[in-house]
Amino acid sequence: DSGVTQTPKHLITATGQRVTLRCSPRSGDLSVYWYQQSLDQGLQFLIQYYNGEERAKGNILERFSAQQFPDLHSELNLSSLELGDSALYFCASSFTGANYGYTFGSGTRLTVV
Amino acid sequence: TQLLEQSPQFLSIQEGENLTVYCNSSSVFSSLQWYRQEPGEGPVLLVTVVTGGEVKKLKRLTFQFGDARKDSSLHITAAQPGDTGLYLCAVTISGGGADGLTFGKGTHLIIQP
Repeated sequence: DSGVTQTPKHLITATGQRVTLRCSPRSGDLSVYWYQQSLDQGLQFLIQYYNGEERAKGNILERFSAQQFPDLHSELNLSSLELGDSALYFCASSFTGANYGYTFGSGTRLTVV
Repeated sequence: TQLLEQSPQFLSIQEGENLTVYCNSSSVFSSLQWYRQEPGEGPVLLVTVVTGGEVKKLKRLTFQFGDARKDSSLHITAAQPGDTGLYLCAVTISGGGADGLTFGKGTHLIIQP
């Protein structure tokens, strides 16, 4: 157990639908990062939150959004889903980032049918 | 253009053999991290290298950061089936408080008994 909890582990939904992925960071970590992993693109950085505020955006589509709540858990919202959104979505947390490393959760496997 | 180029993309060898995988870039980095990812799990941090020319050892794994801090290598001695996994190098592109990771596409390593 890495200390980063992601739910659900698997999600199957239809095109056009909306889903919410949840992440609880490791205790004490203030930063939460979301990543998408697909076979062709590899691991892609989507977005970072620090103590409730958005810090950076990566390759995140406009159909996707995220937020971090006062208790530091984070949610990634994916809407108007397309077949190409099928991927593994990982959450990672960190206390200070580069110097101390990042701890990843086990991911949510999203399948859009 | 991929910021981090990892090679080889796939490697399958017999138990007991030695191997080296590479992570190359034309950019200079202040630090570089190596992760290992097993199927169905998130990446797990193996090591962070910071100083040009630095060598770090983790049991049978030896990590080296290039003198110019543009590249890195991972050498495994006497590989075992438990070493099987996806090996990823990653760097942090920092700025304005943002510090999300940028990953290479990884080396898929299979160690056959």
